[in-house]
Amino acid sequence: EAQVTQNPRYLITVTGKKLTVTCSQNMNHEYMSWYRQDPGLGLRQIYYSMNVEVTDKGDVPEGYKVSRKEKRNFPLILESPSPNQTSLYFCATRDATGAHNSPLHFGNGTRLTVT
Amino acid sequence: SQQGEEDPQALSIQEGENATMNCSYKTSINNLQWYRQNSGRGLVHLILIRSNEREKHSGRLRVTLDTSKKSSSLLITASRAADTASYFCATDTGANSKLTFGKGITLSVRP
Repeated sequence: EAQVTQNPRYLITVTGKKLTVTCSQNMNHEYMSWYRQDPGLGLRQIYYSMNVEVTDKGDVPEGYKVSRKEKRNFPLILESPSPNQTSLYFCATRDATGAHNSPLHFGNGTRLTVT
Repeated sequence: SQQGEEDPQALSIQEGENATMNCSYKTSINNLQWYRQNSGRGLVHLILIRSNEREKHSGRLRVTLDTSKKSSSLLITASRAADTASYFCATDTGANSKLTFGKGITLSVRP
């Protein structure tokens, strides 16, 4: 079964304490992306990766890091979380080979609260 | 930057009625996609329409695309209470495989 697995599902942390949200996919897709979802703002892209060792900033990259050491994993790192990073985070992947006519597959989300 | 904007922001209908949701966008696209999100869960892809297509059907879903007006509509026929969810349009301009999402429409279907 095609899956995008995010962990943890819920996370409460304090300002400044480094954290990592993991994302793994079993579809062998090159493209992976992180979004955050906030009320009234919709989904905004944080970072994306076109392939292993290739990452790029999205629309709201400040305060986040990512890495893509292997195809299936794309962790999101918050080196020093702040309360304005409290949000619902989604990892997503798509088949980016050939024409750009493929859907995104989303994980179930990580609800992060930073106090 | 927001590419797609959905309209209305919220829609409440009776079970059995049709629900029509609209999306407008600003720049040329390769395709436009509609997604559904149940409360707090991940988005699920519903339907994709390419820029050279005008209408597409999938079960009770009908999507239209008017590239001259830069707009799309999603019609859900014979709605059910289980259709209650948020619906998002997303545009694919072909740049960096990125999909840009609108803010979503909250659909409530009353039993």
